[in-house]
Amino acid sequence: AQKITQTQPGMFVQEKEAVTLDCTYDTSDQSYGLFWYKQPSSGEMIFLIYQGSYDEQNATEGRYSLNFQKARKSANLVISASQLGDSAMYFCAMSRHLYSGGSNYKLTFGKGTLLTVNP
Amino acid sequence: KAGVTQTPRYLIKTRGQQVTLSCSPISGHRSVSWYQQTPGQGLQFLFEYFSETQRNKGNFPGRFSGRQFSNSRSEMNVSTLELGDSALYLCASSLGTGGSQGEQYFGPGTRLTVT
Repeated sequence: AQKITQTQPGMFVQEKEAVTLDCTYDTSDQSYGLFWYKQPSSGEMIFLIYQGSYDEQNATEGRYSLNFQKARKSANLVISASQLGDSAMYFCAMSRHLYSGGSNYKLTFGKGTLLTVNP
Repeated sequence: KAGVTQTPRYLIKTRGQQVTLSCSPISGHRSVSWYQQTPGQGLQFLFEYFSETQRNKGNFPGRFSGRQFSNSRSEMNVSTLELGDSALYLCASSLGTGGSQGEQYFGPGTRLTVT
């Protein structure tokens, strides 16, 4: 079974500063995918970034980067230059990869971290 | 390209009733997954459909069922509603094939309240 742990229920950051949201995972699978999603108060989940377990380079998408440390089973999200619009819940998630390749499309989510960006 | 749409957005039902939620995926996406989000349990996977077939199922009772149509639209049904079924139900779409990394794109959700 897969498990995602997000130990920070809430985080505060000043506008324009960088912030790291922690995520550790547990799985016996060799091949898997890691994801980060943002959920504003409106409720819609927004896909931010993906990291495959066999990807050697850390994923980056604009101001988002994923600090992937496979041996430590961690996949922290780094947001650079925080903006007021970044205030939201952030969820770390993972899925298994099938033997045939590709995801099994069953995401296991952590409990989330509520990020508040202060002006 | 239009995003994932879910209808209705809000729903109030009484215990014992049944409810059907609808989801239209992004054009070209053939995989539709459903998730339940509650304050206590967080986000939990319900099931995933691809080409009208259920490929994966979470740990929910048989009262929760779904189906997918030939145009990839999906419906989710909950029978004999219980108070604990009150939740935000999120639908997510994905390509569903090996060309995808598995990222899923979510709709705005249907907020179900059971009284």
